Order: sequence, then structure tokens, then C-alpha cells
Amino acid sequence: AQSVTQLGSHVSVSEGALVLLRCNYSSSVPPYLFWYVQYPNQGLQLLLKYTSAATLVKGINGFEAEFKKSETSFHLTKPSAHMSDAAEYFCAVSGGGYNKLIFGAGTRLAVHP
Amino acid sequence: SQTIHQWPATLVQPVGSPLSLECTVEGTSNPNLYWYRQAAGRGLQLLFYSVGIGQISSEVPQNLSASRPQDRQFILSSKKLLLSDSGFYLCAWSESGKQTEAFFGQGTRLTVV
Repeated sequence: AQSVTQLGSHVSVSEGALVLLRCNYSSSVPPYLFWYVQYPNQGLQLLLKYTSAATLVKGINGFEAEFKKSETSFHLTKPSAHMSDAAEYFCAVSGGGYNKLIFGAGTRLAVHP
Repeated sequence: SQTIHQWPATLVQPVGSPLSLECTVEGTSNPNLYWYRQAAGRGLQLLFYSVGIGQISSEVPQNLSASRPQDRQFILSSKKLLLSDSGFYLCAWSESGKQTEAFFGQGTRLTVV
């Protein structure tokens, strides 16, 4: 069975600092992995996805993630945080067929001046 | 391009009242459809998914039901709401027949009072 663990329910960074949001997964088959962002009272927007091609995946808004099979990780990074990056971020793995997504508990990112 | 519509955006309902949330997808055919629930401070839990008209799979036992009367229409219902049904409900779709991401609606904030 697939599962996702996001380390840190809250992360706070200064504007311009590196953003690192951690995600570890468990999967019995080669995983498809996703990062989504959610702004308050809105749906989820896809940031990026890993689908067994390149291990370093670039997404929207300057975010990227690296798939590391040996560490079963798919951490999300952004070199320089912007105030508009403040949101909740979810890591997800596609498991069980039919593109059903299994989500982590989410990490709320705060960006302060 | 494909779009997903979900309504209403917010809903306040008394305990014991019925519920009907509707979701429609445009610009694609035979999508996989999903209902997720997000409780406060928690991740997303898959409630139902559908791979075709009239085909509904339930992921968790609960007070809710789902129906798919048309190819691109997905409805979440309850005959009698419980306080524990409060939450943020998200409809999503993905392409059938390939492993890929899901696209989410804007969500419905349901408060049962």
C-alpha cells in the first residue's frame, strides 16, 4: 500500500530564503508523485509531478522537486521565497489504480518579511 | 481546455437535513471523477471515485453517497447530515486510461450546525 509522510506541519521562512518542504513516500510499485498547493478556501493546484522520467522536476512558480529512490523522498524546494508562496502544500502519491491520490497531511508555509 | 465546476462554494445546513453537492467537468469525455474531504488541519481523504456512468466506488464507510448520472457530472449526497460531516469537500477529475494527475474544483465549505 502507498503512503505519504510530510515532515513538519508548519514551516516558516523569511522572504528571499530557501524553501524546503519534506515528503517521504512508501510504495510497492514505481510511484507517481505530485506536489499541490492550496490557498485558503480554494481547491488544489498542481505544482509539479514526477512520472518516472527525469528525477529533478521543475514546476510552476519557481518550485522544483527531486525524486530520490534510495531515500524514498520527493522534497519540494524553491531558492527564494516570496510572500505569495504562503499557502498549504500537499505531497501525494498515485496508488491503487484509477489515479486515486493518497495525500500527506500537508505543510503550511508562512513567509515573513 | 478542460474546466471543473463545483457548487455551492459554502453551505450551512442543520443536523438531519439532506445534502446535495454537484460537480461538472467540461472539455473532456469519460473522465475519472473523485470526491475528497478535507477536515480542519488534516490532509485530504478520498471518499468516492467513479470510472464511468453509474459506477461508484466508496473508499470509506460513512453517512454520504455519490452518484454519476451523466458522463461529466458527479453528485455527493446525504439523506441526513451529521455534525461530523462538516468539512471542505473537493471534487476532482483525471484522464482515464493513463496514470496522470488529478485536477481539482474550488471546493465546498460545508458547516453542519
